Amino acid sequence: DAGVIQSPRHEVTEMGQEVTLRCKPISGHDYLFWYRQTMMRGLELLIYFNNNVPIDDSGMPEDRFSAKMPNASFSTLKIQPSEPRDSAVYFCASSLPLAGASSTDTQYFGPGTRLTVL
Amino acid sequence: DAKTTQPPSMDCAEGRAANLPCNHSTISGNEYVYWYRQIHSQGPQYIIHGLKNNETNEMASLIITEDRKSSTLILPHATLRDTAVYYCIVRVADFLLYNNNDMRFGAGTRLTVKP
Repeated sequence: DAGVIQSPRHEVTEMGQEVTLRCKPISGHDYLFWYRQTMMRGLELLIYFNNNVPIDDSGMPEDRFSAKMPNASFSTLKIQPSEPRDSAVYFCASSLPLAGASSTDTQYFGPGTRLTVL
Repeated sequence: DAKTTQPPSMDCAEGRAANLPCNHSTISGNEYVYWYRQIHSQGPQYIIHGLKNNETNEMASLIITEDRKSSTLILPHATLRDTAVYYCIVRVADFLLYNNNDMRFGAGTRLTVKP
């Protein structure tokens, strides 16, 4: 299995521009997560999906951020307009569904997208 | 409030066991202890998890105290490639109760394995 795939790996853009980050989860994984990592705040959960449906977006910092999952193999995180404080590494992760009361999930992370907003 | 407390950094000699502690004194009965690590410039990597029994896999062992208020991750024979930041997380294993606070990884422990 190729693991979670993210693109681009690096993105440099100017303030005010739209940024779109992409993620392909591991095949068969029903859950998909978007995280942001900064030195100041560590790793934060932004939003997660179950079967392509957004379940909890309470971690999305503001309306400039939006995420979609049009199908089971693709998700996007969009920032419009981007600001310098959005500079961070953005991770996508996926996991299998819970198989029962005694099972637990394990999240597998992608390599991340390093975003720099000038 | 932080749900876990870890030392900010630790050193370990190559080939020796690395013992990484984690305090989680407010852990609830339905919360698991998870360990992840993050090697520089890579995404976090799952290591191991447990509820109350000690667990072992090909990567590490997890020792959970009887009162479940603390745990120790053991890398039995540390190598230079184990140099990373190690995160201890406690959370429920039920997505219906999932929330942002459960997955705030915190600062973790920066383990440096030295030759």
